[in-house]
Amino acid sequence: QSALTQPRSVSGSPGQSVTISCTGTSSDVGAYNYVSWYQQHPGKAPKLMIYDVSKRPSGVPDRFSGSKSGNTASLTISGLQAEDEADYYCCSYADTYPYLFGTGTKVTVL
Amino acid sequence: EVQLLESGGGLVQPGGSLRLSCAASGFTFSIYAMSWVRQAPGKGLEWVSAISGSGGDTYYADSVKGRFTVSRDNSKNTVFLQMNSLRAEDTAVYHCAKDRWEWLDYWGQGTLVTVSS
Repeated sequence: QSALTQPRSVSGSPGQSVTISCTGTSSDVGAYNYVSWYQQHPGKAPKLMIYDVSKRPSGVPDRFSGSKSGNTASLTISGLQAEDEADYYCCSYADTYPYLFGTGTKVTVL
Repeated sequence: EVQLLESGGGLVQPGGSLRLSCAASGFTFSIYAMSWVRQAPGKGLEWVSAISGSGGDTYYADSVKGRFTVSRDNSKNTVFLQMNSLRAEDTAVYHCAKDRWEWLDYWGQGTLVTVSS
């Protein structure tokens, strides 16, 4: 099963909003409301930012929000801050795999 | 505080074996599934394997099925990944993660496995 498709990079200035897309198929993103998003700083462990498409774990700022339409999920970071610069990965339950990850997006804060 | 600490990585020749461990603390280990996720150098995340809380159910990615075996010792709060017939493409940092079946809520820092002659 192929990885979910994400843009290689997105960028924005502090205070701006950026949105990362995550495109799958009707066998994964489109079929289940089990999309999660992970933030990874260089050399660090991934951190859960969003689960079940749009739910935020305790401690994750409300600047991070998730949504889904059809086969595409999205992560929006509002009020971009310097510490948001990191790699972000989407993930979806799939017909054959419990976890199918996206290709990853590097967020750069200009 | 949830903590996950992987160990057992290293350099191994193609065709060799390695056993990874992940020691967990800060939660009731036996009631949660655990997953292994790997990340090749400079690449993205790839789910490798999962095991239920009891250890009775195990799951594998096609890329490792038949070569890797996941197990756990709930008396020691530890999950293992036995890796056999290793290939160059198995070179990666291997993370263990606390598994909620729909998302992975805590991850370890990972242990590096390098398969090379």
